[in-house]
Amino acid sequence: EVQLVESGGGLVQPGRSLRLSCAASGFTFDDHAMHWVRQAPGKGLEWVSGITWNSGSRDYADSVKGRFTISRDNAKNSLYLQMNSLRAEDTALYYCAKHSIAVADYGMDVWGQGTTVTVSS
Amino acid sequence: EIVLTQSPGTLSLSPGERVTLSCRASQTVSSSYLAWYQQKPGQAPRLLIYGASSRATGIPDRFSGSGSGTDFTLTISRLEPEDFAVYYCQQYGSSPPITFGQGTRLEIK
Repeated sequence: EVQLVESGGGLVQPGRSLRLSCAASGFTFDDHAMHWVRQAPGKGLEWVSGITWNSGSRDYADSVKGRFTISRDNAKNSLYLQMNSLRAEDTALYYCAKHSIAVADYGMDVWGQGTTVTVSS
Repeated sequence: EIVLTQSPGTLSLSPGERVTLSCRASQTVSSSYLAWYQQKPGQAPRLLIYGASSRATGIPDRFSGSGSGTDFTLTISRLEPEDFAVYYCQQYGSSPPITFGQGTRLEIK
């Protein structure tokens, strides 16, 4: 079964750091680009960051650029998001998502269930 | 950045009805990179349509997507009770950044 399981969320004070993890299983992890997408309480979806299969390219939303770092360890089938200088507006449910490209570019075809980050004093 | 605007914000319909959701882009989006997702309360988004008109694996054929350029639509031919959810369009071609529309909520009348 193809699965993504996020972890590492929690309550953190403004200005502090947190590292999210996403464990992948059921597919060849290093064949696929991966993304982090977040959803603030009661709001819509916001793409946060993406990374290519070999970490050759990493992109970020302007709202997190310079504060968040995406990375992956293909040997461990894991994706990470290092979040520094956290702000109240970073409070959200953070999803990891798999990006599939084969005959066509399928977009984000598999999503985890998310991990909640709350930034509050 | 490409801004996607979905309309309407909320739709109230009955099972069995046909519905068309709209997604308009602030600039041209390659049809190859326009997707639709469904999200139910407490669940992760689920990919419905990729490449503007191709159904993802396991998606019933009552769901169809169309459009090009700046105007895209998702049509559900006959609403089932499980289709009442929030629907998001997404462009992933002119990235970064990948962008989502603000969502259309489909509720039971």
